[in-house]
Amino acid sequence: DAKTTQPNSMESNEEEPVHLPCNHSTISGTDYIHWYRQLPSQGPEYVIHGLTSNVNNRMASLAIAEDRKSSTLILHRATLRDAAVYYCILRDGSSNSGYALNFGKGTSLLVTP
Amino acid sequence: KAGVTQTPRYLIKTRGQQVTLSCSPISGHRSVSWYQQTPGQGLQFLFEYFSETQRNKGNFPGRFSGRQFSNSRSEMNVSTLELGDSALYLCASTTGEVTNEQFFGPGTRLTVL
Repeated sequence: DAKTTQPNSMESNEEEPVHLPCNHSTISGTDYIHWYRQLPSQGPEYVIHGLTSNVNNRMASLAIAEDRKSSTLILHRATLRDAAVYYCILRDGSSNSGYALNFGKGTSLLVTP
Repeated sequence: KAGVTQTPRYLIKTRGQQVTLSCSPISGHRSVSWYQQTPGQGLQFLFEYFSETQRNKGNFPGRFSGRQFSNSRSEMNVSTLELGDSALYLCASTTGEVTNEQFFGPGTRLTVL
């Protein structure tokens, strides 16, 4: 799977928007961009995923650059509960070889009141 | 719908022993993956089972093995435990479609003394 690069940590104030960047310059045409997050003392949870177009769901938005070499996870109003490690992961959508997520180090998001 | 369940939640073993961890996926999910999480190495993929067959394998020694039963429940086994095997072991299930999200269980915390 292609590699992703994320900042080690970011900080945000509560109720403000948060933009979490991810670089994936070696992304292939069939790679989907997945975001997961892991809250303290819990297993990871799915946030959002996309291929080429921007995506929105109840948790977040995913903005994908036109050349797909970077993407941004947007939390529209950060809450204290959003403090977690956020992982940007590429997953080959054409692969029949199975499902394995390469989590990397992720971005640790701190939300302050 | 019940989530992914893992048993036991906590386990203490001594070096040289073996251990078996259990995972029950979400009903209808045919793919079960296992991950190891340690402070030093982060989240690392162990293996994935789909329809009772190992479909994907990470870079772990042969002491780590798994299996899946016809009802999709999965077990992983670690033989000849080492101190470095102390970790949080996470199980995740998905329908099996490559781009679908994975649902994670709460994990089993294994301590090797």
